[in-house]
Amino acid sequence: EVQLLESGGGLVRPGGSLRLSCATSGFTFGSHAMSWVRQAPGKGLEWVSDISDSGAVSNYADSVKGRFTISRDNSKNTVYLQMTGLRAEDTALYYCAKHMVDFWSGIEYWGQGTPVTVSS
Amino acid sequence: QSVLTQPPSASGTPGQRVIISCSGSSSNVGINFLYWYHQLPGTAPKLVIYRDNERPSGVPDRFSGSRSGTSGSLAISGLLSEDEGDYYCAAWDDSLGGPVFGGGTKVTVL
Repeated sequence: EVQLLESGGGLVRPGGSLRLSCATSGFTFGSHAMSWVRQAPGKGLEWVSDISDSGAVSNYADSVKGRFTISRDNSKNTVYLQMTGLRAEDTALYYCAKHMVDFWSGIEYWGQGTPVTVSS
Repeated sequence: QSVLTQPPSASGTPGQRVIISCSGSSSNVGINFLYWYHQLPGTAPKLVIYRDNERPSGVPDRFSGSRSGTSGSLAISGLLSEDEGDYYCAAWDDSLGGPVFGGGTKVTVL
């Protein structure tokens, strides 16, 4: 059974930093691209970033480019999202997501999410 | 403002057929597969259609999808109360380098 377990969310002041983690199991982690997708309260889904199976290639939404960094450790079956320069508009539930294979193959599974609140 | 356009709501009585549309552009829906997700309140999205019209294991054949040009649709036939919730379409966007989503359609079973 595929499992994606996010952690690291919380309350942070504007300008602060957080590191999200997503521990996975139930599939061959190193064979799948991974994404982070967020959902602001009462809003729709917004893709944040993705990373290739090897970790060599990553992409970012314009809204987070230069502030967020995605990475992965295939030996630990874990993907990370380092968030810096946080803004109020980054407040959302952050989902870790597994792609079917590579980036453009679509998201197949989602974790339950970890909440991030940016407020003074 | 979502990149893909969906109607905000759709409804039907039990047993009816509901169709949800998804409109995009030449950089996403026009050249890449459509995916559909169902989200119940307080839960993570769940994949119900991939690669335009394929159903994951466990998704009933009441769900079907299609894509033509820069638009696509999700049809739910034999509507059940458990089909209520939000439905999102998604497609890879070659210009963005990532997936783009519709704004979501809230399905209500009357």
